[in-house]
Amino acid sequence: EVQLVESGGGLVQPGGSLRLSCAASGFTVSSNYMSWVRQAPGKGLEWVSVIYSGGSTYYADSVKGRFTISRDNSKNTLYLQMNSLRAEDTAVYYCARDWGPYGPSLPWGQGTLVTVSS
Amino acid sequence: QSALTQPPSASGSPGQSVTISCTGTSSDVGGYNYVSWYQQHPGKAPKLMIYEVSKRPSGVPDRFSGSKSGNTASLTVSGLQAEDEADYYCSSYAGSNNFVFGTGTKVTVL
Repeated sequence: EVQLVESGGGLVQPGGSLRLSCAASGFTVSSNYMSWVRQAPGKGLEWVSVIYSGGSTYYADSVKGRFTISRDNSKNTLYLQMNSLRAEDTAVYYCARDWGPYGPSLPWGQGTLVTVSS
Repeated sequence: QSALTQPPSASGSPGQSVTISCTGTSSDVGGYNYVSWYQQHPGKAPKLMIYEVSKRPSGVPDRFSGSKSGNTASLTVSGLQAEDEADYYCSSYAGSNNFVFGTGTKVTVL
């Protein structure tokens, strides 16, 4: 069964850092396009970042320069390193497997909540 | 990149049809046939319902259909059922390795 399980969320102070993990099973992360999408409380979905099977990475303007997407092939796990966190980064973060360079995303993980607050 | 515009809400009685619009620009919805639709129940992860404007993934009922005209994509849910009550989001490839989601529509089954 294809499955994604996120972890690493929590409470962090503004300006702090956090690393999210997304453990995959049933498929190989390095052979797929993988994305992070976030959803602020009570708000809509926002695309955050994507890593292509070839290793290229891309980011939304709102996180560019602060967030880094990466993967560990030996652990079949996707990561999102988040630095210089702001209150507006508070959201549930979902990882997802993309079917190709143009989407769509399927499946999605269950999400992990990141709260940026002092 | 601005979010795609969706109506905040839509509703219909069981058995009726409801159509949700998703309006973007020629740089996203109008420029590519890579529009997807996701269904999200409260507290759950989004679920893919339509991809590439009008294709249904395996397991999605044929009551769900998608279309596009110009810069506006649409999702139609026919034969509304209670379990269709959820939030729906469109998404489009926006060029330059970017993606954009819609503002979301809450569908209520009366």
